[in-house]
Amino acid sequence: DQQVKQNSPSLSVQEGRISILNCDYTNSMFDYFLWYKKYPAEGPTFLISISSIKDKNEDGRFTVFLNKSAKHLSLHIVPSQPGDSAVYFCAASRDFGNEKLTFGTGTRLTIIP
Amino acid sequence: DTGVSQDPRHKITKRGQNVTFRCDPISEHNRLYWYRQTLGQGPEFLTYFQNEAQLEKSRLLSDRFSAERPKGSFSTLEIQRTEQGDSAMYLCASSPMTGGLETQYFGPGTRLLVL
Repeated sequence: DQQVKQNSPSLSVQEGRISILNCDYTNSMFDYFLWYKKYPAEGPTFLISISSIKDKNEDGRFTVFLNKSAKHLSLHIVPSQPGDSAVYFCAASRDFGNEKLTFGTGTRLTIIP
Repeated sequence: DTGVSQDPRHKITKRGQNVTFRCDPISEHNRLYWYRQTLGQGPEFLTYFQNEAQLEKSRLLSDRFSAERPKGSFSTLEIQRTEQGDSAMYLCASSPMTGGLETQYFGPGTRLLVL
């Protein structure tokens, strides 16, 4: 039962353009969402998060949008840079204090110079 | 302190053997987590410690798996009678008591291959 889904296994974007990564979830109890970035041979690193009381959170080049009615969130990276090439995981939790993260399957982003 | 460390980074074993992995969290992080990531999947939660107490275990953690954190510092994950399906990346993460989900810092993982 895949409760967090990332339907695009890979995405290629030209340097300087916008990268949009998508994530869908099925569990309506999820109310806190995070994006992680993973380079080869390293563990995932936290990128940005959003709680269910918001629909947008921005941090520099990264913006996460949440559409609760559609159970959908997206990560926008603009402008995309070569160093952004990595695997991106969407993760969800049932509440801020709950320690268990449920991850999606990941999207491999490649930025083309 | 440079972050969460895991040892070994790679392990190849034969089916039926026992293996043990170690995780050293960031100093003074009270919480420690184990996740498993199989090929093409995202990390899956296995278990979680607060200090030395194991507070939650996933159904994924069969009877062949045991995790300990005896002194509330490092943790070990043991797999007995390994099976080919145990082949995966085993990730450890730690966070401080007062931190939120964003403060889960992951180690580089231990990649296990069961032949």
